[in-house]
Amino acid sequence: QVQLVQSGSEVRRPGSSVKVSCTTSGGTFESHTLSWLRQAPGQRPEWVGYIIPVQGISQVAQQFRGRVTLTADRATKTIYMDMRRLTFDDAGVYYCARDQISGFYTVFDSWGQGTLISVS
Amino acid sequence: DIQMTQSPSTLSASVGDRVTITCRASQSVDNWLAWYQQKPGKAPNLLIYEASTLQNGAPSRFSGTGSGTEFSLTIDSLQPDDFATYYCQENKSFLRTFGQGTKVEV
Repeated sequence: QVQLVQSGSEVRRPGSSVKVSCTTSGGTFESHTLSWLRQAPGQRPEWVGYIIPVQGISQVAQQFRGRVTLTADRATKTIYMDMRRLTFDDAGVYYCARDQISGFYTVFDSWGQGTLISVS
Repeated sequence: DIQMTQSPSTLSASVGDRVTITCRASQSVDNWLAWYQQKPGKAPNLLIYEASTLQNGAPSRFSGTGSGTEFSLTIDSLQPDDFATYYCQENKSFLRTFGQGTKVEV
């Protein structure tokens, strides 16, 4: 059974950094790519980037390049999203999600429970 | 970038109703369109992908149609568990853009 378990809520000051973890189970780490998405209060989800966990290869959306780093730990089957230079606009719930191949790009068939990032 | 626009933003309905939500893309996404259901405080849940393919485990009262730039999600015989917000998402582009959501309320 696919499970994605994320780290807990965080409060950060503007200009600081945050690192969110997502621990996988059920073979997901070895067999799928994983994405990070975020959702500001009352807004639509927004895709941040994805990682191939077993290779550590990642890509992020243009607007996050230089500010977001995606990494993976094979020993703990955990992926991480590190976001730097936080602003008030970065507040929201951050999700990891398993990618389901559908055409050239993916949809998201299993999601973590979400991690609330507050910036104040 | 592809823009995704849903209508209506809010839909009032009753149990047993048949409801339809529309999603328009700013350019063709072929059939690379998914639908999700999201309840308050929860992650989105994939219902349909490739415009009309029902995800494993999704109830058969959900159906999707469309191609190119116009898509719709229909819920036959709305159930109490279906009151939620629904999002479309294109997976034709790198950004995998979502629509702004449609809230189905009582």
